Amino acid sequence: GESVGLHLPTLSVQEGDNSIINCAYSNSASDYFIWYKQESGKGPQFIIDIRSNMDKRQGQRVTVLLNKTVKHLSLQIAATQPGDSAVYFCAERAGDYKLSFGAGTTVTVRA
Amino acid sequence: NAGVTQTPKFQVLKTGQSMTLQCAQDMNHNSMYWYRQDPGMGLRLIYYSASEGTTDKGEVPNGYNVSRLNKREFSLRLESAAPSQTSVYFCASSFLNQPQHFGDGTRLSIL
Repeated sequence: GESVGLHLPTLSVQEGDNSIINCAYSNSASDYFIWYKQESGKGPQFIIDIRSNMDKRQGQRVTVLLNKTVKHLSLQIAATQPGDSAVYFCAERAGDYKLSFGAGTTVTVRA
Repeated sequence: NAGVTQTPKFQVLKTGQSMTLQCAQDMNHNSMYWYRQDPGMGLRLIYYSASEGTTDKGEVPNGYNVSRLNKREFSLRLESAAPSQTSVYFCASSFLNQPQHFGDGTRLSIL
């Protein structure tokens, strides 16, 4: 079964605001986490990843936070834009190269 | 830059028919993967190939076979299609322990 899940299936955000997408995982042996963005009719697109020896990593307008104590992962998107509307998936890996995906959060950006 | 190319993009089959989904990558990746994605769910791993010449079962392998034809190509075969195999199929590739890159999927309907 899935060991990765997202707290909310949908998130509505005002354009220009910051978005926070949450993900809980249950496998304490997971050592690598990754966020993907999937637009309608497309395959998942890599956004950012983080390894378990870190608790924060920043990219362009995105930040991933990892809290291993409570097994929680979040993706923060700064100044959300209409192009950020998509489904966001978190995924984890425990030791090998196979990823386990959560069910996804659909983000809708309001103009 | 083609990345990961999947063919066909759409296919309709009748129950019991056979079908091979094709996947090719031009990034010189060692590892390749096949996933299925069903509505409201994350991606589930069907089979993967860690390197040329090897294949292994993932989470949901029943009803499928794979062939790692060479380093670039990894095909997925349905020998006797069933309605439960109606799904969107994604192929991905990566270097070991690096983010996976996905194709845009094959939308398969089985009547």
